[in-house]
Amino acid sequence: GESVGLHLPTLSVQEGDNSIINCAYSNSASDYFIWYKQESGKGPQFIIDIRSNMDKRQGQRVTVLLNKTVKHLSLQIAATQPGDSAVYFCAENRGYGGATNKLIFGTGTLLAVQP
Amino acid sequence: NAGVTQTPKFRILKIGQSMTLQCTQDMNHNYMYWYRQDPGMGLKLIYYSVGAGITDKGEVPNGYNVSRSTTEDFPLRLELAAPSQTSVYFCASSKGQGNTEAFFGQGTRLTVV
Repeated sequence: GESVGLHLPTLSVQEGDNSIINCAYSNSASDYFIWYKQESGKGPQFIIDIRSNMDKRQGQRVTVLLNKTVKHLSLQIAATQPGDSAVYFCAENRGYGGATNKLIFGTGTLLAVQP
Repeated sequence: NAGVTQTPKFRILKIGQSMTLQCTQDMNHNYMYWYRQDPGMGLKLIYYSVGAGITDKGEVPNGYNVSRSTTEDFPLRLELAAPSQTSVYFCASSKGQGNTEAFFGQGTRLTVV
C-alpha cells in the first residue's frame, strides 16, 4: 500500500554538528513533500516543503533534498542546536488538481542533540 | 490570533460512551484535518474537510464521524468509545490549494477504560 516511512527511528548528534534525517516514500503521485517538527507535548510545526518537480530547497539552517528516482527525501539541519531536539516527520501532500490537500504522515524520527 | 483551538485537553471515557472533540480555527482556512497519534508513532489521518459542508475519510475513519457546518469548526465525534481509540488527537487547518503549511492544535489526550 501507499506509505511514507523513515529509515532511522532515533538520531543522536553533537551540538554544532549537521544532522541528516531520511525518509522513504512509496507513492509517486504526491505533489508536495513536507517536513514537520514535533516537540514533546505539542502539535507538529511546519518546517519546510518541497514541490515534487524540485530537487532541493533551502530554508533557514535547513535544506530538503528530494530524489524521485529512489523515492527518498531528506532533511539536513546545519549546526544543530539543543532546541532542535524533537521528533521529525516527513509527510506527503496528495493534491488532486489543487482540489484536495490530503496530508499523510510518516512514522517519525527522534533527533537527540547532545551538548 | 488564537490559531487552532482544541477542547478538551484531556478526557477519560468509559467503553461505550460517546463524546465530541471540539476544534475551531480563526485563520479562515478552508482545509481542516483530524489526526490521531498513538504513543511513539506517527500521525494517522482520520477525516479531513476541504470546506464547509464537505468532508472525506482519511486513513483510519472507522469509529469516528465529523461534520463541517462552518468554516471555523470541525468537531470529531466518537459514538461508542473503545480502548483502541485511546490516543492523542490533533486537529489542524491549512489554506489548502497548494499551500502545505498546516497549523496544529495542542491536542486532546483521550483515554478509554
